[in-house]
Amino acid sequence: GIQVEQSPPDLILQEGANSTLRCNFSDSVNNLQWFHQNPWGQLINLFYIPSGTKQNGRLSATTVATERYSLLYISSSQTTDSGVYFCALSNAGKSTFGDGTTLTVKP
Amino acid sequence: DTEVTQTPKHLVMGMTNKKSLKCEQHMGHRAMYWYKQKAKKPPELMFVYSYEKLSINESVPSRFSPECPNSSLLNLHLHALQPEDSALYLCASSQVTGTSGSSYNEQFFGPGTRLTVL
Repeated sequence: GIQVEQSPPDLILQEGANSTLRCNFSDSVNNLQWFHQNPWGQLINLFYIPSGTKQNGRLSATTVATERYSLLYISSSQTTDSGVYFCALSNAGKSTFGDGTTLTVKP
Repeated sequence: DTEVTQTPKHLVMGMTNKKSLKCEQHMGHRAMYWYKQKAKKPPELMFVYSYEKLSINESVPSRFSPECPNSSLLNLHLHALQPEDSALYLCASSQVTGTSGSSYNEQFFGPGTRLTVL
């Protein structure tokens, strides 16, 4: 199956700092999503980005499908950005999540 | 409406009990999914239904029995579970497109059911 690697596994930032999270994958995929899981377990959709670049407020994402990686950028981080960030890839309905990046933003 | 709902929020059951988890969506999606997530681990796919038919079963033990009564509802029937089955169970849905219905689009997740097996 598809291998998905996320880095770094843990990230601690001071409020206001910027960060880049990376997702490498082993095979071509139809779909790629970025999620933020809050402390109560809810997976919040950030981006659906099989290829290209998208932006939503302080967050943006880029997927280079030919080189098999995706990047999530968080600018001017806030304490509410804390949590686990997952990338998930799927082909024909079969989804694989990376192990996640745990982000802690300190005030 | 981009909401997927799940009930109950929490469930505690003994190993001899039979219980069911429920999931509902009203986005007109034709694919629905069950995932299992253990603490500090990523979600793992269990089952996928497409047009109310089971299309993917990730070798899940038979003590977990999925059911899709209609395009909006997805159930997970639980029987004779083990303590190691304690986890967060997540439901998701997505649109299905493509001429053969093989292209699954963006998934939307419910809040999950936190299951404890005693």
